[in-house]
Amino acid sequence: AQSVTQLDSHVSVSEGTPVLLRCNYSSSYSPSLFWYVQHPNKGLQLLLKYTSAATLVKGINGFEAEFKKSETSFHLTKPSAHMSDAAEYFCVVSEDPGGGADGLTFGKGTHLIIQP
Amino acid sequence: GAGVSQSPSNKVTEKGKDVELRCDPISGHTALYWYRQSLGQGLEFLIYFQGNSAPDKSGLPSDRFSAERTGGSVSTLTIQRTQQEDSAVYLCASSSYPRIAKNIQYFGAGTRLSVL
Repeated sequence: AQSVTQLDSHVSVSEGTPVLLRCNYSSSYSPSLFWYVQHPNKGLQLLLKYTSAATLVKGINGFEAEFKKSETSFHLTKPSAHMSDAAEYFCVVSEDPGGGADGLTFGKGTHLIIQP
Repeated sequence: GAGVSQSPSNKVTEKGKDVELRCDPISGHTALYWYRQSLGQGLEFLIYFQGNSAPDKSGLPSDRFSAERTGGSVSTLTIQRTQQEDSAVYLCASSSYPRIAKNIQYFGAGTRLSVL
């Protein structure tokens, strides 16, 4: 069984300061991990993914995430927040014991607020 | 088209009526997914199609929900005798390969369903 926990439902930072969105997961198998972003009234967009290659993953718009197996974490970071980063962010875990759609689990989301 | 297209973008219906939600995946994508996003509930996986076949329908919330896909392309999600708790945003995604753990899902903008 797998699960994902986003530790903060809301995060507020000032424009130009670093962003940290926290995600912990549990998985019985070697997981793949994703971060998706959802802007208001828009569909989900993939930010980045980890699929057992490099543990530090770089995504779009300056975001990156580090897979830490010992801590079962996959936190999302960005060095300097921009107003356009304000959105809902979802951490997603997937284990693939044999394929199949029931291997995909979304976190409840973190709402990122950017203060001017 | 260039992305996953969902229609209608908004649907308001009366309790007890049936509704049909449509998803047009990215051309050539064999896998198609339906999710429900409710306030405070996060993203809930509903059903997955590989081609026209749905291997597992256990994610559908009740027997009022059904989905079909024809021609390996467009899918419809039907909710019969709608209830107020069905109010949510229904998201569709597609991917080019069914191995969820390794593959990227591309999401549509969703259909916002409001049951009065």
